[in-house]
Amino acid sequence: SAVISQKPSRDICQRGTSLTIQCQVDSQVTMMFWYRQQPGQSLTLIATANQGSEATYESGFVIDKFPISRPNLTFSTLTVSNMSPEDSSIYLCSVGSGGYGYTFGSGTRLTVV
Amino acid sequence: QQQVKQSPQSLIVQKGGIPIINCAYENTAFDYFPWYQQFPGKGPALLIAIRPDVSEKKEGRFTISFNKSAKQFSLHIMDSQPGDSATYFCAASMEGNTPLVFGKGTRLSVIA
Repeated sequence: SAVISQKPSRDICQRGTSLTIQCQVDSQVTMMFWYRQQPGQSLTLIATANQGSEATYESGFVIDKFPISRPNLTFSTLTVSNMSPEDSSIYLCSVGSGGYGYTFGSGTRLTVV
Repeated sequence: QQQVKQSPQSLIVQKGGIPIINCAYENTAFDYFPWYQQFPGKGPALLIAIRPDVSEKKEGRFTISFNKSAKQFSLHIMDSQPGDSATYFCAASMEGNTPLVFGKGTRLSVIA
């Protein structure tokens, strides 16, 4: 199955600033998925990133707040823009592997102060 | 609309007991049903998964039971240990490159 390198692993950011999270996959994948896990909550899908086209966002998430880049089949970035304390969460990227398995990055723990 | 409903929210069992966590889904197009285990400060880790062509799957102390007609599946942990104390998430996805949809999670505590 694929291996994902996600960076940074954690960060503490000032409100009003932006943070870009990177995910590098060791193989080419068509779709990459971005999730948010708020404290004590489940994983919620933010968007699906398909190389060569704009990301598809789930209800409640907008491109201006969470712009996504997918420049090639092994890399994607998620930016959390104009952050507020409510954005404090773990952000995870994920890809599908053969046979319906899924691989997750190790997560980015974001704290906004 | 929540597509995967998970219960209970939390569960406390004695060491050696058999905690059971249940999930129900609505979308009949789902055909992959994994369970994830998450420890505090860590990302979710795949525990076991099942496809709807079988009714049960065992891996070590973990068993998934699947009822296609009822659109339900459950996780059983045999001989539970304190080290199993974690949050467990069920999930579901459809054929093809589609994202997982997660249940809300169950916080399991196994006490000695």
